[in-house]
Formats: sequence, C-alpha cells, structure tokens
Amino acid sequence: DTEVTQTPKHLVMGMTNKKSLKCEQHMGHRAMYWYKQKAKKPPELMFVYSYEKLSINESVPSRFSPECPNSSLLNLHLHALQPEDSALYLCASRGVLRDTEAFFGQGTRLTVV
Amino acid sequence: DAKTTQPPSMDCAEGRAANLPCNHSTISGNEYVYWYRQIHSQGPQYIIHGLKNNETNEMASLIITEDRKSSTLILPHATLRDTAVYYCIVRVSSGSARQLTFGSGTQLTVLP
Repeated sequence: DTEVTQTPKHLVMGMTNKKSLKCEQHMGHRAMYWYKQKAKKPPELMFVYSYEKLSINESVPSRFSPECPNSSLLNLHLHALQPEDSALYLCASRGVLRDTEAFFGQGTRLTVV
Repeated sequence: DAKTTQPPSMDCAEGRAANLPCNHSTISGNEYVYWYRQIHSQGPQYIIHGLKNNETNEMASLIITEDRKSSTLILPHATLRDTAVYYCIVRVSSGSARQLTFGSGTQLTVLP
C-alpha cells in the first residue's frame, strides 16, 4: 500500500467554523508533512512531524493547529480561518532513516467563505 | 539550503524526448537531486532522484553533470499525460526529518 489518503477532498467552511483535515498512511513512514498550495504556485511547507513529534513549524499562524495522534495519522485543525486561507492542502509522508521519496496525498481543496 | 533554478515553461511534441533542465549551483556534497511532477490539481508524484551518477527508471532518466551544479530530467517519449509542472528539488536535512522544499518548477506542455 503506497497511498496517502486525505479526507475530505473538498471542504467549504465559514470564518467562524472549526474543522479538521485528516491524512492517513500505512507505509510505516515516520515523517509526515503538511503543505499549502495556492493556485499556480508551488506547494509551501507548513509543518513537519518526525516520530509523531512536531519538528518544523514554518511560522504558520495559530489558526492552523497540527496533530499527530499516532504514526499513521496526521490531522490539521482549522479555526477562525480567513478567505485568503483558501487553498489546496497537501499531506505527504516519507521514511526517516534512509533517503526515500515522499508520497503525497491528492489534497483537500479548502474554501473559506 | 541549495536553491534550484528552472525555466518557467517548456513545450514538447508528443512522442519526442522532453529534456527539462535544472540549475543547483550551491548543492552540497551529500545532497540529492529529486524530481517530482504535479498534474493539475493532483498531489505531486515522485519521478526519480540521484546523488551524482546518472539514473534511469521506468518513467525517466536523470543526468547530473560531473560538478553536480546542474541536472536534466529526460522523458524519452513524451505523451499528452506528461503535461504537468515538474519540480527539481535538492533535499535538505533538519533534525531527524528532512524537508522537501519546492521551487517554482517548469510547466511542461506536451503538444499533439
């Protein structure tokens, strides 16, 4: 199984809502990533988890709150977002101990209204 | 972090080889060159990676210059389905996890 599964595929939320994005992989990868991608731009790294611990936070606003409850699951909790946070949110995973490629999910298309 | 430079766009005729260049003049000795592509509105897909030797797999070939300051991704027989943004990435390390930082990429359009 070489899949990274992201749910939901699409999400529309109001600026006062609280929602969560979910990412799951069963490849035994201990590094997991959240990226944000605006239209016609490259993916921008948001967070990196290594062995279920947050290792990199790229100065992301606190309205985005990541969580890694176990080695297969990565969540991104959203609260009080702004319309400019509308984007494609991508999850990725890769092995840590040796140099391997990263596997990406198909993303969640988020629209904040 | 080693930075990469790619042309913003390229066209290629269907059935011909697509040669996508990448400059990474500040690459360190232990940094790999990775290539990914992203078809419209999908997640990025791994293509190939290498350290200093040329590499080939079922998707593509990677040619890295001897001084490792540049590389070329070759799609030997491009098809319409190869139309995508291609990213050349030099891997950096940070603690126990390794970042994967995307540059602006090359939009490859395969023309019928």
